[in-house]
Amino acid sequence: GAGVSQSPRYKVAKRGQDVALRCDPISGHVSLFWYQQALGQGPEFLTYFQNEAQLDKSGLPSDRFFAERPEGSVSTLKIQRTQQEDSAVYLCASSLTGLTEAFFGQGTRLTVV
Amino acid sequence: RKEVEQDPGPFNVPEGATVAFNCTYSNSASQSFFWYRQDCRKEPKLLMSVYSSGNEDGRFTAQLNRASQYISLLIRDSKLSDSATYLCVVVFFSGNTPLVFGKGTRLSVIA
Repeated sequence: GAGVSQSPRYKVAKRGQDVALRCDPISGHVSLFWYQQALGQGPEFLTYFQNEAQLDKSGLPSDRFFAERPEGSVSTLKIQRTQQEDSAVYLCASSLTGLTEAFFGQGTRLTVV
Repeated sequence: RKEVEQDPGPFNVPEGATVAFNCTYSNSASQSFFWYRQDCRKEPKLLMSVYSSGNEDGRFTAQLNRASQYISLLIRDSKLSDSATYLCVVVFFSGNTPLVFGKGTRLSVIA
């Protein structure tokens, strides 16, 4: 596709449920980033991939959060045993090299009830 | 440690005003700089790159001051449609994660 695609756009999860958020980066983009954005706040870094290698996961808030990009293209962010504080928009961005501008998907709005 | 700092605002300015935002960064091993714009409930979108020589695009001017480690964004003749959050982004040479975002500066242009 022409841009970064994220799915689902909206997700409502019951507390304790596991969720999986998908990101399709721009074709050929080596770098992929995940961010969490709470309402009224700036994007908070979660994790970074260069191809299939997860080079930085220092932003993942707890061991309930897990991300993968097994073939260096599509990435999945998984949240286990969701809690209310996980409610946020999860943004994915890709960059051609990691040193150039990043392009964002529209995000997945997660609401934990 | 890589840090990118912005005044969160909000900056409330009347239509037609000129407004400027600064963004400071803590690590001198930086390569590239960008300004992004984020509208309410939308994803951030690239507004402009920031070059060493400065960069102008219509009413928008971005400048880089490497010695003082900050970048700036100047908006002239503000329009209502300029109301948004402006995020600065710094690309660092070193470390595991090259792109670091500031928290954003909120601008409201008032009629």
